[in-house]
Amino acid sequence: ELKVEQNPLFLSMQEGKNYTIYCNYSTTSDRLYWYRQDPGKSLESLFVLLSNGAVKQEGRLMASLDTKARLSTLHITAAVHDLSATYFCAVDMSGSDGLTFGKGTHLIIQP
Amino acid sequence: EAGVTQSPTHLIKTRGQQATLRCSPISGHTSVYWYQQALGLGLQFLLWYDEGEERNRGNFPPRFSGRQFPNYSSELNVNALELEDSALYLCASSHPWESSYNEQFFGPGTRLTVL
Repeated sequence: ELKVEQNPLFLSMQEGKNYTIYCNYSTTSDRLYWYRQDPGKSLESLFVLLSNGAVKQEGRLMASLDTKARLSTLHITAAVHDLSATYFCAVDMSGSDGLTFGKGTHLIIQP
Repeated sequence: EAGVTQSPTHLIKTRGQQATLRCSPISGHTSVYWYQQALGLGLQFLLWYDEGEERNRGNFPPRFSGRQFPNYSSELNVNALELEDSALYLCASSHPWESSYNEQFFGPGTRLTVL
């Protein structure tokens, strides 16, 4: 059974700081997704990582994938309040199955 | 391009009743996925439909069922509702053969409350 673990589950940080969210998964997969969820809202797709060593950046967010370590990271640079949300990583085992999600990281960025 | 739509936005039922939730995928997408986001349990995969067929289901009892129509829209039915079925139900769509990966796009969700 595929397990996806995120840490930390809760993160409170100051604006302007850098931080990293980690996502570990238990079995081989080469498809990893990062989503953002605002309170009471649906999931917004942030990044799709498809191969070992993949790195994608959008604004202050950068995601990477190490399939050998079964680890993905979401790095936040110089955080701003608008990035406050819950961030989920999800792994896709066979390409067309349901996604297995981590529990999410609740991120609060304080001025 | 219109995104995934779901109805109703909110649904209140009592224990033992049946609930029906609806989802319309992005135009051209043939796969529809259902997920449950319950407090404390996170996001869990429920069902996957593609081309009108149920392709896979998560670890949920048979009272969770659904179908996909010829226009690729989908219904999720939950029978004999229990209090712990209260959750946000998210629908997602994808086009499995459009790209080499299976990016899923999510709808706004239906908030089901069971009293």
